[in-house]
Amino acid sequence: GEDVEQSLFLSVREGDSSVINCTYTDSSSTYLYWYKQEPGAGLQLLTYIFSNMDMKQDQRLTVLLNKKDKHLSLRIADTQTGDSAIYFCAEKSENYGNNRLAFGKGNQVVVIP
Amino acid sequence: DGGITQSPKYLFRKEGQNVTLSCEQNLNHDAMYWYRQDPGQGLRLIYYSQIVNDFQKGDIAEGYSVSREKKESFPLTVTSAQKNPTAFYLCASSIVGELITDTQYFGPGTRLTVL
Repeated sequence: GEDVEQSLFLSVREGDSSVINCTYTDSSSTYLYWYKQEPGAGLQLLTYIFSNMDMKQDQRLTVLLNKKDKHLSLRIADTQTGDSAIYFCAEKSENYGNNRLAFGKGNQVVVIP
Repeated sequence: DGGITQSPKYLFRKEGQNVTLSCEQNLNHDAMYWYRQDPGQGLRLIYYSQIVNDFQKGDIAEGYSVSREKKESFPLTVTSAQKNPTAFYLCASSIVGELITDTQYFGPGTRLTVL
């Protein structure tokens, strides 16, 4: 079944790197996503990774995927105050049904100036 | 300017009243979704629709109803049967097809408070 887990809270100093982790249980996942939610807003897609990739880099964002351990991480380099938000990982799996995503509970990141 | 709009941003209703939340998209996406978000919780899927005039229940459909009469619109009605309707409601849409990411794009959300 689908079960995506995330830790709940992370504080980080401005300029440092932050790493957000996510584990999932469905080995049939095809795509994995990271979304960002600012207070009172909808979710904004940050990046995604195909399941046959180990790493994807996009400017300050680096996504690492360990399929063996079903572990996904998002590293934000040079964290800025605008990065304060809740970050959700999500997975797309054929087992979950067409066009459905399973979301984690989110990880709140607070950037300290 | 393409995107997904939800209205209103804040909605207040008395207990026992039905209320309809609007979701419109001009992205020409086939699929649309409704999620509910509660504090400290992830997103829980209420209903989704992959094509006009068709929709499926998600994980928490009880007390909700939807319609999909037009491709660009997917309104959600929160009925009086929903026992705990106060929440943040998010609408999303995506392209449907094989070999693509099915990335979902979200609207800004509607915060419903039932008094």
